Amino acid sequence: NAGVTQTPKFQVLKTGQSMTLQCAQDMNHNSMYWYRQDPGMGLRLIYYSASEGTTDKGEVPNGYNVSRLNKREFSLRLESAAPSQTSVYFCASSAEDVRAGGYTFGSGTRLTVV
Amino acid sequence: SQQGEEDPQALSIQEGENATMNCSYKTSINNLQWYRQNSGRGLVHLILIRSNEREKHSGRLRVTLDTSKKSSSLLITASRAADTASYFCATDAQGGSEKLVFGKGTKLTVNP
Repeated sequence: NAGVTQTPKFQVLKTGQSMTLQCAQDMNHNSMYWYRQDPGMGLRLIYYSASEGTTDKGEVPNGYNVSRLNKREFSLRLESAAPSQTSVYFCASSAEDVRAGGYTFGSGTRLTVV
Repeated sequence: SQQGEEDPQALSIQEGENATMNCSYKTSINNLQWYRQNSGRGLVHLILIRSNEREKHSGRLRVTLDTSKKSSSLLITASRAADTASYFCATDAQGGSEKLVFGKGTKLTVNP
């Protein structure tokens, strides 16, 4: 099925551990995004990539790094996880003109840092 | 920082009733979008309204946009239990990049 695929769906980390969240889309979209969702805070943009080879910081980039590996894949890395990074992480993608259909979201990664 | 703010934060209605959710935003926009999120799932795009449009319909959804008041409303008519979800508005920034800024959402519960 066409769409955005995120892995893993669930993860528990210890403080200080590192991990990479994977995201892939098969819709030939240029733009990809990483958001985090916390209770009462809505979605906040961590990083985004307007096209292959470019990445830019969003609202809450501290503690994260990203890689736009190719047009399909956009990964998010936590180098040294902290309890404040406990959240649900969503990857999304969009066509060059978002009016074509808005963002397509993955189903999310629920991350707990203990 | 949040661009859009939804109101109310939570709404509980009976099946068959209409549900109205509001969104206010701060800066000029190119377009405003509404998304739905079922519990434990990702967001799903519902409808997009451009800054030069005042009203748009899609099935049981009606969206209005008032750029002078920097506000939008989402009306769901003849609600169903399956409409139970959180609803988010999202705005871009006129002249800015294509990235969206989301509000905190309205949690809608439709009771059978």
